[in-house]
Amino acid sequence: DTGVSQDPRHKITKRGQNVTFRCDPISEHNRLYWYRQTLGQGPEFLTYFQNEAQLEKSRLLSDRFSAERPKGSFSTLEIQRTEQGDSAMYLCASSSRGGGKNIQYFGAGTRLSVL
Amino acid sequence: DAKTTQPNSMESNEEEPVHLPCNHSTISGTDYIHWYRQLPSQGPEYVIHGLTSNVNNRMASLAIAEDRKSSTLILHRATLRDAAVYYCILRSAAGNNRKLIWGLGTSLAVNP
Repeated sequence: DTGVSQDPRHKITKRGQNVTFRCDPISEHNRLYWYRQTLGQGPEFLTYFQNEAQLEKSRLLSDRFSAERPKGSFSTLEIQRTEQGDSAMYLCASSSRGGGKNIQYFGAGTRLSVL
Repeated sequence: DAKTTQPNSMESNEEEPVHLPCNHSTISGTDYIHWYRQLPSQGPEYVIHGLTSNVNNRMASLAIAEDRKSSTLILHRATLRDAAVYYCILRSAAGNNRKLIWGLGTSLAVNP
């Protein structure tokens, strides 16, 4: 079990550039989640996939953000025309079931710094 | 999801027990109580969860009040590696509940 893997761990970019992050979930998990976390705050939900279908998106996910999960395996999160306010830790999690017993397993995150 | 309330910070000494409280007075009958923790510069890590009965696992114990309006995460012997932010989260078993809704958690400091 290799756990949830995120790449890159750190990304520094200039305002206005596009960035893309990758998440590889635990192999048998069909559910995948993206969260964003700023310093001193708990994670905030961004979006959720069940297999390849994106079933829920937060209002935080503006039109500059897009997420995909082709073939229900890995997922990518792209941010277009980055802004300084996008600076945060982006966390990916996966799980094998839903409902009240849903346990989400998190990656180490991608820390984005927008200069 | 119902809201939880936790102290902002707590302090403990190494090898002593730690009791981390969580209030969830608006909990519904189908809500599970989950605990996660986040070590510095790492992603959150699942600790334990329960519905009505107390639960034990290799990491911790979860004590749930009889009326379920509060719970306590118990670390039996704190180590320096237990210094982290601990989050108490309610998850409904009903409907299409998907996301975790996080508060600010309790930042636990462990003194050597």
